[in-house]
Amino acid sequence: GQNIDQPTEMTATEGAIVQINCTYQTSGFNGLFWYQQHAGEAPTFLSYNVLDGLEEKGRFSSFLSRSKGYSYLLLKELQMKDSASYLCAVGGYSTLTFGKGTMLLVSP
Amino acid sequence: KAGVTQTPRYLIKTRGQQVTLSCSPISGHRSVSWYQQTPGQGLQFLFEYFSETQRNKGNFPGRFSGRQFSNSRSEMNVSTLELGDSALYLCASSLEVQGAEGANVLTFGAGSRLTVL
Repeated sequence: GQNIDQPTEMTATEGAIVQINCTYQTSGFNGLFWYQQHAGEAPTFLSYNVLDGLEEKGRFSSFLSRSKGYSYLLLKELQMKDSASYLCAVGGYSTLTFGKGTMLLVSP
Repeated sequence: KAGVTQTPRYLIKTRGQQVTLSCSPISGHRSVSWYQQTPGQGLQFLFEYFSETQRNKGNFPGRFSGRQFSNSRSEMNVSTLELGDSALYLCASSLEVQGAEGANVLTFGAGSRLTVL
């Protein structure tokens, strides 16, 4: 089975940097995915890691260590619009298993 | 390029009724997955279809079923509705082409919000 843990809530200030951690235990692994979900909207894809290391996409970066079952999403230069839920998901065979999400609140 | 389309967007049913939800994937996407999202449990996997075959199924009772048509459109059905079935039902599609960039990335529809009274 899959077990995915991420913090329930985080707060940060506009312009700051925030790191959202995700740990997982899985019986199968086909990539680690991060999604963003604004209230009342569908999740949207942010990034994914298949191999260990850092993937950078503009203000967003994601890191993976498969041996440690650990990933993080790094958000730089935070903006108010970044207030959302961030979902960590482990890819298995033809499925994604999601964590319960981290609600990030960005304040002025 | 049109996104994933789900209908209806909102619906209200009473206990014991049944409901059918529809999903049209992105053109060219052959894999369709369904998820249930509730505040307490988050996103939970229901099932996944590829080329009209169910390839994977989550841990939900048999009241939850689905199917996929030859044009990749998919439907899910919930029979004998219970109060606890109130949730946002999300459909997602993916490309599933070996070696293609981002082939396994899921693109979600806006969801169907079901309220059971």
